[in-house]
Amino acid sequence: NAGVTQTPKFRVLKTGQSMTLLCAQDMNHEYMYWYRQDPGMGLRLIHYSVGEGTTAKGEVPDGYNVSRLKKQNFLLGLESAAPSQTSVYFCASSGLAGGQETQYFGPGTRLLVL
Amino acid sequence: GQNIDQPTEMTATEGAIVQINCTYQTSGFNGLFWYQQHAGEAPTFLSYNVLDGLEEKGRFSSFLSRSKGYSYLLLKELQMKDSASYLCAVRDEDYKLSFGAGTTVTVRA
Repeated sequence: NAGVTQTPKFRVLKTGQSMTLLCAQDMNHEYMYWYRQDPGMGLRLIHYSVGEGTTAKGEVPDGYNVSRLKKQNFLLGLESAAPSQTSVYFCASSGLAGGQETQYFGPGTRLLVL
Repeated sequence: GQNIDQPTEMTATEGAIVQINCTYQTSGFNGLFWYQQHAGEAPTFLSYNVLDGLEEKGRFSSFLSRSKGYSYLLLKELQMKDSASYLCAVRDEDYKLSFGAGTTVTVRA
């Protein structure tokens, strides 16, 4: 049981390049989330999904797209990377939306856009 | 939206007690979480409060007052491994989490 995994762990991009971050979970969770974490700002929600085939915008969705074609995978895409997207990206999943159900986080992807 | 405030940094001595405060202003409230995050790692769940009062889990306790928009995380018998960032997060009525910027706790020998 690997929990939540993220690929890649680290990436350097040039401005204007595109890339896709992959998140995978093996806990059969319905809910999946993408966050970015910047110094002094905490975790901010980019996009999230409440089930296979569904996606919704979070707090900071501009410049990102997502897809949830399979229940276990949640992809985050950057079509044209900008230096402002330099950040650490965390994926998370949860089985339920409410109650004591917490979100389980992946190890993070460190992205540097030059 | 959510406005969540917590101190930026705290320092304490090994074996001591530290209390990390979190205040929030929310458009809806559906529970409050505390997470621990070591440098370069993912956040991990520590505690959950949805009703007023104290929840105790070993050396860690968390308190909530919904009327005051206030919570604290209490860390007792501090150990060096407790040096980390502690994140306060509020869940809204749509079940999304909003996070504070985190409090970095440094434990000195």
